[in-house]
Amino acid sequence: GDSVTQMEGPVTLSEEAFLTINCTYTATGYPSLFWYVQYPGEGLQLLLKATKADDKGSNKGFEATYRKETTSFHLEKGSVQVSDSAVYFCALSDSNSGYALNFGKGTSLLVTP
Amino acid sequence: SAVISQKPSRDICQRGTSLTIQCQVDSQVTMMFWYRQQPGQSLTLIATANQGSEATYESGFVIDKFPISRPNLTFSTLTVSNMSPEDSSIYLCSVQPISGTSGAPQYFGPGTRLLVL
Repeated sequence: GDSVTQMEGPVTLSEEAFLTINCTYTATGYPSLFWYVQYPGEGLQLLLKATKADDKGSNKGFEATYRKETTSFHLEKGSVQVSDSAVYFCALSDSNSGYALNFGKGTSLLVTP
Repeated sequence: SAVISQKPSRDICQRGTSLTIQCQVDSQVTMMFWYRQQPGQSLTLIATANQGSEATYESGFVIDKFPISRPNLTFSTLTVSNMSPEDSSIYLCSVQPISGTSGAPQYFGPGTRLLVL
């Protein structure tokens, strides 16, 4: 079945550092890919998405490109801020799952001043 | 997007009892999902609750333990029955306002934090 694998956390970075959180997936169909973020004490929010190969999703300075050849959807940001400290979840959705989201385990990011 | 509210926001319950969690959406949606997030873990789908049909449960989740109602297009309930400490989790509902498309995003409620003693 479908699955999502994320890099293990926690990730600790200094402010203004470059961020990469790796995400790879396994799917039998043609999934859409998402990054969700969960800030401390808050609910889950959609950060960005991509629906087909080579699409780039972007939001709040974060970017991720749907790479079918490497089955990846890595999250990147050029300069992180303290306010980016959160847990980031990679997820996929396709018709095989009835359009429900299949989540990775999440990566905790801590940005220090 | 959609605005989703859940009640209760948190509860502490005794083992053997049941808790019903309500999910209210500010617009009509066909597809609604219930997830569980155990402490420090990712989200796991419990069931899909579409209006007009029986809920569809994922492997490891059964209707007797997690009965779901979906009386209309803006409301659903999830009951956690005969609770044990292993049921301590955050329970989240989500909706997909544009149905039947994998690229359509899902929006999540704030969650219900459940602690079973």
